[in-house]
Amino acid sequence: AQKITQTQPGMFVQEKEAVTLDCTYDTSDPSYGLFWYKQPSSGEMIFLIYQGSYDQQNATEGRYSLNFQKARKSANLVISASQLGDSAMYFCAMRGSNTGNQFYFGTGTSLTVIP
Amino acid sequence: NAGVTQTPKFQVLKTGQSMTLQCAQDMNHEYMSWYRQDPGMGLRLIHYSVGAGITDQGEVPNGYNVSRSTTEDFPLRLLSAAPSQTSVYFCAASKGALSTDTQYFGPGTRLTVL
Repeated sequence: AQKITQTQPGMFVQEKEAVTLDCTYDTSDPSYGLFWYKQPSSGEMIFLIYQGSYDQQNATEGRYSLNFQKARKSANLVISASQLGDSAMYFCAMRGSNTGNQFYFGTGTSLTVIP
Repeated sequence: NAGVTQTPKFQVLKTGQSMTLQCAQDMNHEYMSWYRQDPGMGLRLIHYSVGAGITDQGEVPNGYNVSRSTTEDFPLRLLSAAPSQTSVYFCAASKGALSTDTQYFGPGTRLTVL
C-alpha cells in the first residue's frame, strides 16, 4: 500500500527565512514520482515541484527545492526566502509505477509566513 | 489554453437530488481523475480514467458515476446526493499514467448537500 505522511499540521516562518516542510512516504514500487502542491486560501491546487525516484540530484524550481533522501523515504520541501504569498496549505503526493498510477496525497501542512 | 476547467464553482443540493459536475481539459491529456477534499483528510481519489472509454474506481467511489466519451471531458455524476457528499471536488489531468507525469488541477467545485 502507498502512504504519504505529513506530520506538521501547521508551521510558522518569519518572512525572508527558509522553511522545511516534511514528507515521508511508503511504497514498494520500484519507480515512483514525488510531487508538491500549494493550495492558497483561494482554493486552487498549484503544482510546485517534482522529484523522480531515480533522479540523482535534488529537484529545484526557483525558491523551492526538494530534499530527497531515498533511504529514509523522505521528500521534504524547502522554501527559501519566504514571502507573505507563501502562506498556504502544502500537499505532498506520490505516484507509483505499479499502483494503478494513482496519486496518493498527504494530509497537508498549513504554512503561515509572519511579517 | 485554459488547462482544466470545472463547472459549476459552487452548488447547493438537497438530499436525494442528482447532478453532474463538469470537467474539461484542452491539453490533450489522456489521464483524468476526480478527487474530493475534506478537512484534515487531504485529497481522496473518487474515479479516474486512463483514456477515452476507460474508467476505474478510486478510493471512495460509492455514490458517484463517471464516463469518458472524449479525451477532453470527464463528468462526475452524483446519483442521489447525501450530506456526506458535502465537499470540495477537484478534477485533474495528466499527460499519461507514468509515475513521472505531473497532474494539473481544475479550480474546484464546492458542493453543499442539505
